[in-house]
Amino acid sequence: GDQVEQSPSALSLHEGTGSALRCNFTTTMRAVQWFQQNSRGSLINLFYLASGTKENGRLKSTFNSKESYSTLHIRDAQLEDSGTYFCAADNAGAKLTFGGGTRLTVRP
Amino acid sequence: EAAVTQSPRNKVTVTGGNVTLSCRQTNSHNYMYWYRQDTGHGLRLIHYSYGAGNLQIGDVPDGYKATRTTQEDFFLLLELASPSQTSLYFCASSTGQNTLYFGAGTRLSVL
Repeated sequence: GDQVEQSPSALSLHEGTGSALRCNFTTTMRAVQWFQQNSRGSLINLFYLASGTKENGRLKSTFNSKESYSTLHIRDAQLEDSGTYFCAADNAGAKLTFGGGTRLTVRP
Repeated sequence: EAAVTQSPRNKVTVTGGNVTLSCRQTNSHNYMYWYRQDTGHGLRLIHYSYGAGNLQIGDVPDGYKATRTTQEDFFLLLELASPSQTSLYFCASSTGQNTLYFGAGTRLSVL
């Protein structure tokens, strides 16, 4: 079946620094979504992309459907950015496949 | 802001018990989904629906039934609960072509 591979599985950042999370897809995907699961367990929408790049504050995401990957860049990380980040993608249906998640810890 | 409400938020039952998880969305979305989340597995799709009376099989449907009674309401039924169904369950809704909106989750424990 469709596979969504997320990396890294865990990431530790100091406040004020940044990094990139990545999702690779084993088949062509129509669109990708990114979510943050916070400390209370709530799943928060970050981005929906059918192509290109979107930016929101300190977060930026890119989706390259031709090369089958998406990235989420975090800059100037804050303590409240800690949580687990998931990507999910669909290949033209309404059924999404989720990656395994990246657990981000932001340290003072 | 899209709204998806799940109930109950927490549920404890015994093996063999009968459990119904409820989900209501007020977004006028056609699609509704039930996921389970377990450590080491991420989110896995149980069932989904594209409208009242419709049901589509997800990736991990065994042991679960679901029913979409109206556009707003989607129920997940465990008729003979087993300990392997102890999990965090999420409901979500979408237009099918756009962002997925999640409820707050239901934590189910099967003893």
